[in-house]
Amino acid sequence: DGGITQSPKYLFRKEGQNVTLSCEQNLNHDAMYWYRQDPGQGLRLIYYSQIVNDFQKGDIAEGYSVSREKKESFPLTVTSAQKNPTAFYLCASTDIAGVLTEQFFGPGTRLTVL
Amino acid sequence: DAKTTQPNSMESNEEEPVHLPCNHSTISGTDYIHWYRQLPSQGPEYVIHGLTSNVNNRMASLAIAEDRKSSTLILHRATLRDAAVYYCILNSRNTPYSGGSNYKLTFGKGTLLTVNP
Repeated sequence: DGGITQSPKYLFRKEGQNVTLSCEQNLNHDAMYWYRQDPGQGLRLIYYSQIVNDFQKGDIAEGYSVSREKKESFPLTVTSAQKNPTAFYLCASTDIAGVLTEQFFGPGTRLTVL
Repeated sequence: DAKTTQPNSMESNEEEPVHLPCNHSTISGTDYIHWYRQLPSQGPEYVIHGLTSNVNNRMASLAIAEDRKSSTLILHRATLRDAAVYYCILNSRNTPYSGGSNYKLTFGKGTLLTVNP
C-alpha cells in the first residue's frame, strides 16, 4: 500500500535532548512537509522540501532542522533550542508535478518532553 | 496568503445534511479552495477542492459563490464518522518549482463538527 509512515507514534524525551522524527513516503512525491499542531489549534508549517537536497523554512522553523537526502525520506530533528517542543507533529507529501496538489498526511508523532 | 474565516463549531444530527461555510473575501483569481478534515488524533485528509464551479465527489460537494468570496462544504448525509475538524484553505497553484511558496497549505483552526446520533 502506498502512503506515508511516521515513527514512532508516541515519543518521550527529557528536556535538553535532541530528537529525530522519522517520515517516509512511497508515493514517489517530490514535495514533503512538516507541520506542528498544538491542542485546539490548526497546523503550522515548520519546514518543506520540493526536491531532494533542497528545503525551505516554514513559519516556525526556529529550533528545528531537516534533511532531504532521499526523495522518500524527510526526517525532522527537534533540537534543544526549541523552547516548547511538546506537540503533535505531522508529515505530509504532495505530487507537485501532477494535476492535483492534494497533500497526503502521515498518522503523526506525539512528542512529549518531560 | 489570503485568509479564510470559519465558524469555530457546528452541530448536526446523523443522516441529515450538513453545510459548512467558509468566507474568503480576499481570494485571488488563482486561488483554489481546498477542504481537508482531521479526525481526532489523526493527520488531516483531503476532502475536495475547486476553483469556480461547484464540485462533487464521493465524500462531499463544494458550492462556490459566484463572486468566489465564500464557499460551502456539503455533507449530504452526516454519519458519526464525519465528526471531525474541517479546514477550508486557499492554495494558489502555479507551475511546479516556481518559487517555493505555492504548494504550502495554511491551516486555520477550522470548524469542529459534532454529529449527534
